[in-house]
Amino acid sequence: EIVMTQSPVPLSVSPGERATLSCRASQSISRNLAWYQQKPGQAPRLIMYGVSARVAGMPARFSGSGSGTEFTLTISSLQSEDLAVYFCQQYNKWPYTFGQGTKLEI
Amino acid sequence: QVQLVESGGGVVQPGSSLSLACVASGFNFSIYGIHWVRQAPRKGPEWVSYIRSDGNNKYYSDSVKGRFSISRDNAKDTLSLQMNSLRAEDTAVYYCAREPLAVTKRGTFDIWGRGTLVIVSS
Repeated sequence: EIVMTQSPVPLSVSPGERATLSCRASQSISRNLAWYQQKPGQAPRLIMYGVSARVAGMPARFSGSGSGTEFTLTISSLQSEDLAVYFCQQYNKWPYTFGQGTKLEI
Repeated sequence: QVQLVESGGGVVQPGSSLSLACVASGFNFSIYGIHWVRQAPRKGPEWVSYIRSDGNNKYYSDSVKGRFSISRDNAKDTLSLQMNSLRAEDTAVYYCAREPLAVTKRGTFDIWGRGTLVIVSS
């Protein structure tokens, strides 16, 4: 199976700063990569798919990039409501797999 | 309101069985493929099983193959997961999650339930 590795774990940031989260796949997954946001006590929430397509309602401060095996989620100016755990997920090949998560914290 | 609601979790002993249910509302359940995804404490999510909209195709992760069985009743907007021979490593929150219809989103999970906790412990 494809192993997804995220870094850093955790990531300390301040409101207004840029946050850069990385995700690496153990083999090429083309652009079949999604990002999820999970807040305490909640289910993960799909925020981005196809590397860089934001789901409806996601603010433009969220952006994604990468292809092949290296991917990045960037939050350009962190807001307090963005503090959460972020997971990447590949859907290029069964079984679909997730990273271990990056926790954004102050 | 589009939602999925899981139930059936609990504390069970190793080797026992448990059945989870997921009830859908607010959308046409019968045309969507649905997954079970679980998340152990302080871990990333792990895909468990998938069933196609018509119930004719089913897939399982290697970790549960032969022990878990997924099914659905489109007339009742309900998904089920029968879990047998449970192990300590099956301890997790179990979510049902919808796969979008849009081709560009196939393979992602756009609607999740709130989850039901399964604890396997002696």
